[in-house]
Order: sequence, then structure tokens, then C-alpha cells
Amino acid sequence: AQTVTQSQPEMSVQEAETVTLSCTYDTSESDYYLFWYKQPPSRQMILVIRQEAYKQQNATENRFSVNFQKAAKSFSLKISDSQLGDAAMYFCAYRSAIPSGTALIFGKGTTLSVSS
Amino acid sequence: DAGVIQSPRHEVTEMGQEVTLRCKPISGHDYLFWYRQTMMRGLELLIYFNNNVPIDDSGMPEDRFSAKMPNASFSTLKIQPSEPRDSAVYFCASRGGTGFNGRRNEQFFGPGTRLTVL
Repeated sequence: AQTVTQSQPEMSVQEAETVTLSCTYDTSESDYYLFWYKQPPSRQMILVIRQEAYKQQNATENRFSVNFQKAAKSFSLKISDSQLGDAAMYFCAYRSAIPSGTALIFGKGTTLSVSS
Repeated sequence: DAGVIQSPRHEVTEMGQEVTLRCKPISGHDYLFWYRQTMMRGLELLIYFNNNVPIDDSGMPEDRFSAKMPNASFSTLKIQPSEPRDSAVYFCASRGGTGFNGRRNEQFFGPGTRLTVL
């Protein structure tokens, strides 16, 4: 079975600085998808960024980028120029590419606080 | 596009009562998921449907939980009888199939239902 591990329960960063959230996963599959979701206090789950395992290029979305290391099974999220609105819980998630494995498997989450 | 709609947003009930949570997925999506979020266990899958058919219900905690999807635009998650340990946030999510609208593989979540069982 696949597992997702986020080893940092809490992280903090100052406005305008850069922070990196860690995520590792375990799988025997070669084709899969990885995601970072943001959950602000409103509890709405918001997709931040997505990475397909077959793509070597790291995904980027504006201030958000990932460092995807397939061999190491590592998928970290970098937030540049942090803003107060980035404060939230962040979840790393895995999804198998096979049709029957279509549900997301989540890590426990990292709470990010941003100070001014 | 109204997104995934869940109701109610908050539910407070007493132990032993029946609770029904409702979900309307995004039109055209053929996958529907129910997740539960607790402090202890994080986000975990309860059940998911494909084309209204339950595919994997291995995450349903016990027989007190049941889920139905009578049509493509509606699903319910029922707890009967409810217990205090069922208190959690329940999320519904939907996803289009491969190639749908160029946004395949992304699950869209509803706002969640916060359930409190006293």
C-alpha cells in the first residue's frame, strides 16, 4: 500500500521569505500523480500544484514550485515570497495512475504560519 | 460552475441519532469521493463511486456508515446510529475522467460538513 509522510507538523516563515515543506512517499508503482493541497481556516481544500511522475520537469505555479525526486520518492513544496494569505495547513497527496487507484492518499499535513 | 456542493455545512446531533450528509458533484464528473478529516487520523477515504457505482468502500469504518449515489448529481453519506467518535469534518469531492475538459486528474472538494455528535 502507498503511504505519504510529512515530517514537519509545523513550519513558520516571515513575509517575503522562502519556505520549503517536505513530503516523502512510498510506492512500488512507476506511474502516479502527486499533489499539494492547501487548507486555510475556512477548511476548503484548494489544489496548489500537481506533478505527474512521468514528467522530469518540476511543476511550478507562480510562487509555488516543487522539487520532485522520483528515485528518492521525495516531493517538496517551495513557497517563494511568502504572503500572509499563505498561512494554512498544507497536505501532500498521492494518486495512483491505475484506474482502480483513483482516490487520494494524504499525508498528515504541515501547518504553515506566516509572520509580518 | 458552482463547484461541489455539500449540505449541511454544520451538523450537531446527539448520540444515537441518524445523520445524513449530502453532496452534489460538479456536473459531468464521473467520480465521487467521500473523505473524513479528524485530528487523529488526518484525511482518509471512506468510499468512492464511479458512474454512480461504489468502487471501494474499504474505508467505511463500520456498518453504521452507508453511502448511496442514486444518480449522477447526488450522493448521501448516512450514519445510523451516530456516536461521539464520528465527530469530524466530512468532505465530498468529484473528478472528471481521463481527458475531461483538459483538467484531468484533479479532484475538486466541497466545503465540507462539520459533524459534532454529543
